[in-house]
Amino acid sequence: NAGVTQTPKFQVLKTGQSMTLQCAQDMNHNSMYWYRQDPGMGLRLIYYSASEGTTDKGEVPNGYNVSRLNKREFSLRLESAAPSQTSVYFCASSEYRESPLHFGNGTRLTVT
Amino acid sequence: KQEVTQIPAALSVPEGENLVLNCSFTDSAIYNLQWFRQDPGKGLTSLLLIQSSQREQTSGRLNASLDKSSGRSTLYIAASQPGDSATYLCAVQTSGTYKYIFGTGTRLKVLA
Repeated sequence: NAGVTQTPKFQVLKTGQSMTLQCAQDMNHNSMYWYRQDPGMGLRLIYYSASEGTTDKGEVPNGYNVSRLNKREFSLRLESAAPSQTSVYFCASSEYRESPLHFGNGTRLTVT
Repeated sequence: KQEVTQIPAALSVPEGENLVLNCSFTDSAIYNLQWFRQDPGKGLTSLLLIQSSQREQTSGRLNASLDKSSGRSTLYIAASQPGDSATYLCAVQTSGTYKYIFGTGTRLKVLA
């Protein structure tokens, strides 16, 4: 049982490049989330998907897009990367809104 | 706007000591509160979830309490061990939403 799997683990981009962060869960969870973690800022919610077919903005959605491809997969896309998007990105899932969050191991992204 | 604060930011204790980590939040209209553990370079692991109607939850050597009216939660760790060394984060879920607001964590070091 892998839980929440994120790819890639590390990525370096140049300003203006695009990329997609992948996330998949094998726990049949309904809700999925993308967070970013920055030193001194805690984790901040970028986007979430309450259930398959729905997505909503979190606290810091600007510069990002998401796709809930199916119940298992939730991807995060950076269309034109900026240095301010240098961060560690975490995907999480939960069975229901009131259930515990399960996190992946993160993607460390550097934008130069 | 909900704000979550964790004090102290860092803590060192000798092995075997009982300790308390603190979490405070500004808006008592919460759905639930979770405590997480994060090891360096890893994702977050959910330790305990307390629903707004509950006062405490226990798991092994861990006990978390919640006082909504005062906006406080504590995580009690009994008989600390070097393996407990990690960063501990609390997060509150705003009522009626899927959004969690995270504190910046307490970095715990248990000395052998």
